[in-house]
Amino acid sequence: EAGVAQSPRYKIIEKRQSVAFWCNPISGHATLYWYQQILGQGPKLLIQFQNNGVVDDSQLPKDRFSAERLKGVDSTLKIQPAKLEDSAVYLCASSARPRQETQYFGPGTRLLVL
Amino acid sequence: TQLLEQSPQFLSIQEGENLTVYCNSSSVFSSLQWYRQEPGEGPVLLVTVVTGGEVKKLKRLTFQFGDARKDSSLHITAAQPGDTGLYLCAGRSQGNLIFGKGTKLSVKP
Repeated sequence: EAGVAQSPRYKIIEKRQSVAFWCNPISGHATLYWYQQILGQGPKLLIQFQNNGVVDDSQLPKDRFSAERLKGVDSTLKIQPAKLEDSAVYLCASSARPRQETQYFGPGTRLLVL
Repeated sequence: TQLLEQSPQFLSIQEGENLTVYCNSSSVFSSLQWYRQEPGEGPVLLVTVVTGGEVKKLKRLTFQFGDARKDSSLHITAAQPGDTGLYLCAGRSQGNLIFGKGTKLSVKP
């Protein structure tokens, strides 16, 4: 069974630029999560999708971050414009259903904002 | 705001030593999970504990959930270099996972 795929693996941009990350969850997994992991911290949930609907985006900085999961499969997370403090690893995870105990994480995208 | 405090933050030991890492909170969680994260990878689930006082063993790893479901510990017996990584605890509350900052473990041969 293929795991959660993310791309790109690394991205370096200058502040005020835009960036987008892509995630392909495990086949058949209805729930998809985006987490932000700042160096030295644990992952923090940004947004949770159930199929193509948003379940929880309470910690998403909506003035600059957006995410979509149009067909209930792949998802894209965008930052526009980026700030220095957005430098972090962006992790995508999926689970078969909401609140299921096991979330499977992708390898993450490492973003550096200069 | 619910917080999970992990200690120690860093731990460097020799192969063969035993160690315990801790995860503490003032909040009650319906379940608690432990993950290991290696450099350049996402976290991988090791165990989920649900019942207060529960003890689970995974080879050389022993996980315990506190009676009040506010804290947990991870004990590793005879640590090996392959145990090196970031150990994260995560509590589930109202459906969401809340992660601690992790314990960075280095096991030297």
